Amino acid sequence: DGGITQSPKYLFRKEGQNVTLSCEQNLNHDAMYWYRQDPGQGLRLIYYSQIVNDFQKGDIAEGYSVSREKKESFPLTVTSAQKNPTAFYLCASSLSGGRKAFFGQGTRLTVV
Amino acid sequence: GDSVTQMEGPVTLSEEAFLTINCTYTATGYPSLFWYVQYPGEGLQLLLKATKADDKGSNKGFEATYRKETTSFHLEKGSVQVSDSAVYFCALSGEYKLSFGAGTTVTVRA
Repeated sequence: DGGITQSPKYLFRKEGQNVTLSCEQNLNHDAMYWYRQDPGQGLRLIYYSQIVNDFQKGDIAEGYSVSREKKESFPLTVTSAQKNPTAFYLCASSLSGGRKAFFGQGTRLTVV
Repeated sequence: GDSVTQMEGPVTLSEEAFLTINCTYTATGYPSLFWYVQYPGEGLQLLLKATKADDKGSNKGFEATYRKETTSFHLEKGSVQVSDSAVYFCALSGEYKLSFGAGTTVTVRA
């Protein structure tokens, strides 16, 4: 089945640690996105990528990093510089930028 | 820049009631418009879309019409069920990405 897969579903991080969230798609989509969702705040764009080996900062990129070495994969690293990382993280992909997006099931990150 | 404004929630309804969630947008050009739905603990699913003015998107009893003159894309359903309880997001397509509204939480009581 075609789709977009995020892992893990739940992730716990100690303060000061970097963690990497996985996002893989087999839809042959060029564009991929990372969003952060906090209670009552909707979706905020962290990073997006229109094509392999290229990515752009979104609205809240500070404390995060990404790579796009393969078309299918767009991992997100939450670094220790991110002061409030506890949130629900959503990955999405689309055929090209601005087209309808397909979402993964999300990763809930909690700092302990 | 592009932006989407949704009516604030939460919205609580009884089963079989009529649901409307208002959505207005600001954009350059002629964006496509979308409604997404999110069930608890899950990602977003595309509910319906419209790609040009006067288009009506529909799915699962939900409808929304692309109104260019009022820059709106209001979501409606004539008779809601308990299973419609979810968070609903309005979104528009930009050149490189989608812009989302803040989301409206809908709870339907039996």
